Amino acid sequence: DAGVTQSPTHLIKTRGQQVTLRCSPKSGHDTVSWYQQALGQGPQFIFQYYEEEERQRGNFPDRFSGHQFPNYSSELNVNALLLGDSALYLCASSLTGQPTYEQYFGPGTRLTVT
Amino acid sequence: LAKTTQPISMDSYEGQEVNITCSHNNIATNDYITWYQQFPSQGPRFIIQGYKTKVTNEVASLFIPADRKSSTLSLPRVSLSDTAVYYCLVGDSPGNTPLVFGKGTRLSVIA
Repeated sequence: DAGVTQSPTHLIKTRGQQVTLRCSPKSGHDTVSWYQQALGQGPQFIFQYYEEEERQRGNFPDRFSGHQFPNYSSELNVNALLLGDSALYLCASSLTGQPTYEQYFGPGTRLTVT
Repeated sequence: LAKTTQPISMDSYEGQEVNITCSHNNIATNDYITWYQQFPSQGPRFIIQGYKTKVTNEVASLFIPADRKSSTLSLPRVSLSDTAVYYCLVGDSPGNTPLVFGKGTRLSVIA
């Protein structure tokens, strides 16, 4: 049973560029959430996708957008990159209606903006 | 969402029991207490969840007093591989609720 996978593992971009990160959820899960983790901080919620729509959103600007595909996989897009966007981007999957607080995280994508 | 307070860091020797306490004075009636573990360059991993009293699994125990204003994660006989950041989260189920992480407790296990 494959867990949550993310690609790429590492990425280096220049200020002003755009980036797309990808996530495949754990088998059987239908909900994907994205988190940003700066160095030394806990993960911060960006947004969540369910049934191909953004269901909830954290305090992130519109430069951050996403998409969910019919197979439940998801993409995170960040436009006009800033140095402050350098972070570990984590994808987490869950099953809507599951009566626990458990989400399954992928290994993350390390984004460096220069 | 209830705010949590936990120590920034802790050190322990191998083989010892480690107890990490989390304070959550404003916990709501519907809130659960959940702990995640994160190793360097990996995503967080669910450890344990509880509502009241005591919960135990193969990894840890979670002690919650009657007033639920705090909780203690207990790791029995830690090893070097338990070196990680441990996060205490408080919030309502279900599992699709956005998780709110603090800075966590950095546990260093020493040989």
